[in-house]
Amino acid sequence: GESVGLHLPTLSVQEGDNSIINCAYSNSASDYFIWYKQESGKGPQFIIDIRSNMDKRQGQRVTVLLNKTVKHLSLQIAATQPGDSAVYFCAENPMNSGYSTLTFGKGTMLLVSP
Amino acid sequence: DAGVIQSPRHEVTEMGQEVTLRCKPISGHNSLFWYRQTMMRGLELLIYFNNNVPIDDSGMPEDRFSAKMPNASFSTLKIQPSEPRDSAVYFCASSLNSGPYEQYFGPGTRLTVT
Repeated sequence: GESVGLHLPTLSVQEGDNSIINCAYSNSASDYFIWYKQESGKGPQFIIDIRSNMDKRQGQRVTVLLNKTVKHLSLQIAATQPGDSAVYFCAENPMNSGYSTLTFGKGTMLLVSP
Repeated sequence: DAGVIQSPRHEVTEMGQEVTLRCKPISGHNSLFWYRQTMMRGLELLIYFNNNVPIDDSGMPEDRFSAKMPNASFSTLKIQPSEPRDSAVYFCASSLNSGPYEQYFGPGTRLTVT
């Protein structure tokens, strides 16, 4: 039979545009969130994190926004570059887990064209 | 810092053979995670250790999979006997359980079972 792969949402942007990648998380008890970037053939790489007592955190060219009311997380990348092309994962740490486990989302593929 | 080290980077084996994947976490990290990534299922947590003790192995697919962490600087994931459906990229990650909960991923082992 035909195999069905994981169909990742894809965001295609032009170089220089601002990108926004969205993520809906599941556990209202989660108190820590991370965005990872995974380039082809490599392991996930940390981009930025945020705790639940914050609603915004900025890094270099990246901003993470957290809306706990609707359990929504977003990653904004300013002046997107071809090197930003990758799959981006959000992950959450449930406060009651007791350990540093992370639950990962399915990922969004970002394609940046020159 | 060398980061998380995994070996081998690529493994091709025949169905029925034993496969052993190896991981060296970042020095000082006390939590270690094994993940499997496929196109069909995305990134799945198989097992994690805290202070060398397995905490949750509910993600291990079946008895053919086993993992050990004999000391703080080494862990193995073994598949015996291997099957074609085990073909995937296997990642090891480590973190500090006391927080922050950022997990550092290794480069992964691409396993192909024919």
